[in-house]
Amino acid sequence: GQNIDQPTEMTATEGAIVQINCTYQTSGFNGLFWYQQHAGEAPTFLSYNVLDGLEEKGRFSSFLSRSKGYSYLLLKELQMKDSASYLCAVNGSNYQLIWGAGTKLIIKP
Amino acid sequence: DVKVTQSSRYLVKRTGEKVFLECVQDMDHENMFWYRQDPGLGLRLIYFSYDVKMKEKGDIPEGYSVSREKKERFSLILESASTNQTSMYLCASSSPDRGRAGELFFGEGSRLTVL
Repeated sequence: GQNIDQPTEMTATEGAIVQINCTYQTSGFNGLFWYQQHAGEAPTFLSYNVLDGLEEKGRFSSFLSRSKGYSYLLLKELQMKDSASYLCAVNGSNYQLIWGAGTKLIIKP
Repeated sequence: DVKVTQSSRYLVKRTGEKVFLECVQDMDHENMFWYRQDPGLGLRLIYFSYDVKMKEKGDIPEGYSVSREKKERFSLILESASTNQTSMYLCASSSPDRGRAGELFFGEGSRLTVL
């Protein structure tokens, strides 16, 4: 079967760094996406990885290892507004997204 | 500013009622999707469409139908609403570039409660 795993909830401190992991087992792979979703709002696109390595975009970075079926989202200099759920999704063999259940990130002052 | 607009943010319906959820996008995207989102389950694909008049079943199409008469509009229909269809419904669109097809633009969501 196809599966995407990420932690249900994480807590971090304002100003710190947090890494949210995502592991996947899919029948095909055409890229991995991270989305941010604030409570009561729609998801918004954060990052896209299709090749191994690190993609950096400001305070956010995303890493991919295709051989390990593994990705992480790294958030630096955490701000209170980063409190949200972070969704990992894989573009599978039929170019349909397979979604993880999301990681709820709680930022404490 | 690009936009996906869903017709209703909150709806309350009774069991057995017919429900229409409308979605319009202004980005000239070919691809449009309907998802539902429930706590702990992540996003589940109901139906999608790659072109006008075209529709494909997603992972959980039972109890739903869709209509795509115009490129910019994709409607989700619940023929006879049931309490297990109480959920957040999210419409999304994306460009036809297959490599970036996972970069979805979402509407604000429609929270449906069926009593």
